[in-house]
Formats: sequence, structure tokens, C-alpha cells
Amino acid sequence: ETGVTQSPTHLIKTRGQQVTLRCSSQSGHNTVSWYQQALGQGPQFIFQYYREEENGRGNFPPRFSGLQFPNYSSELNVNALELDDSALYLCASCHRGQGYYGYTFGSGTRLTVV
Amino acid sequence: DAKTTQPPSMDCAEGRAANLPCNHSTISGNEYVYWYRQIHSQGPQYIIHGLKNNETNEMASLIITEDRKSSTLILPHATLRDTAVYYCIVRPNANDYKLSFGAGTTVTVRA
Repeated sequence: ETGVTQSPTHLIKTRGQQVTLRCSSQSGHNTVSWYQQALGQGPQFIFQYYREEENGRGNFPPRFSGLQFPNYSSELNVNALELDDSALYLCASCHRGQGYYGYTFGSGTRLTVV
Repeated sequence: DAKTTQPPSMDCAEGRAANLPCNHSTISGNEYVYWYRQIHSQGPQYIIHGLKNNETNEMASLIITEDRKSSTLILPHATLRDTAVYYCIVRPNANDYKLSFGAGTTVTVRA
């Protein structure tokens, strides 16, 4: 059981629309990251939130934005959708193991922009 | 983050050991080697990590060369459920660093 839940699992949007994706991470995991995975490629880092503040960002334009809530759940918002935004969007929460920082990923939201 | 190089694909027979190589010749002293895998239609799953010593857990073993420029992930007895894309990642061992995924190695376990 992954412990990270994403919703919805699948979504179809029209170019130019806005979308909000949601992630519920495991209790006590105060760091959450979002990744975009295009078909046939590895996941690409979008941004990371720690205690409700963005503390790292990848090479994504400002129309990709996020929020983290006091209960550590998170949202990814994408404005002005483009066809190339079609991808699997993954949320990951960071947990501290014995001497390492591991990331637990959700199963993702498959976004299709038409 | 240091760049990693992995073969694009490999086949393995069920029940045999699968040895997955990874080159990370530019790894720095504070960077760890992490392995994740991604089974079709799922999110990536943590497998194992190490700094310079060999490591073993219930899923796999990690062998890191003495100069730390390469490593090998070993799945001791591959099963059909091990068919996945395997990613080798190097990163500092802190929670404020991203995971930089490459293309990974697509491992196909055949009966």
C-alpha cells in the first residue's frame, strides 16, 4: 500500500483550460514533490513543498503552481493547458528512513489535453 | 546532481539473477546512489540506496565500486513481477533535493 493517494486517476481537458490535481500524503510527511512524466520518459521534477512553502522548482513555467495545506495534502494547478501538458502527474511524499530520505509515490493522474 | 548512464533495456530469465549496471563517473563525495523502479501504470518505488558500502535488503543488493564511479543493482531471483523500468539516481542524502530520473533500464523478465 503506497500511502500516497492522488485524484483523479484520469482526466481529459481542452487546450486553454485550467486543471487542479490533488494529492494526499502520509501523515507526518511534511515534504511533497510533484513530477511530470511524458510517455516513454522518466519523471521530471516540477516543484517541491516543505511546510506549505515552495522550496525547490524544476524547469517549468509559472502556469504550473502548487499549494500544500496544513494537513500536508497538496494540489498542482496548471493554467492555460497546452497539448504538451498531456502526461502522467506524480505526487511523492518524503519520508525519513534509517539514514536516508526516501520518496513514496502515488499512482499518478493521467492528464490528456485535447 | 551527477548524471547516470544505464543500458536502455535488458532481458532476464525468471528465477535467475538480474544484474543492472549504472555508470555515475561524476558522482561527488556527498551523493548517494539510489535505485527506484516503476512498474507499468504505477508510481516509482524505492528499492535501495548506498554511499560506498555494498547494501542488501529484502528486494535487492547494491554493489558500488571502490571508486564509486559505477554500481550494480542485483535482483537475486527475478520474477515476472520484477518486469519494470529501473532508475539509477545519484543525489545528496537530504530531503530538499529532487530526484533526477533518466530514461532508466527497461527490464523484461521472461518465463
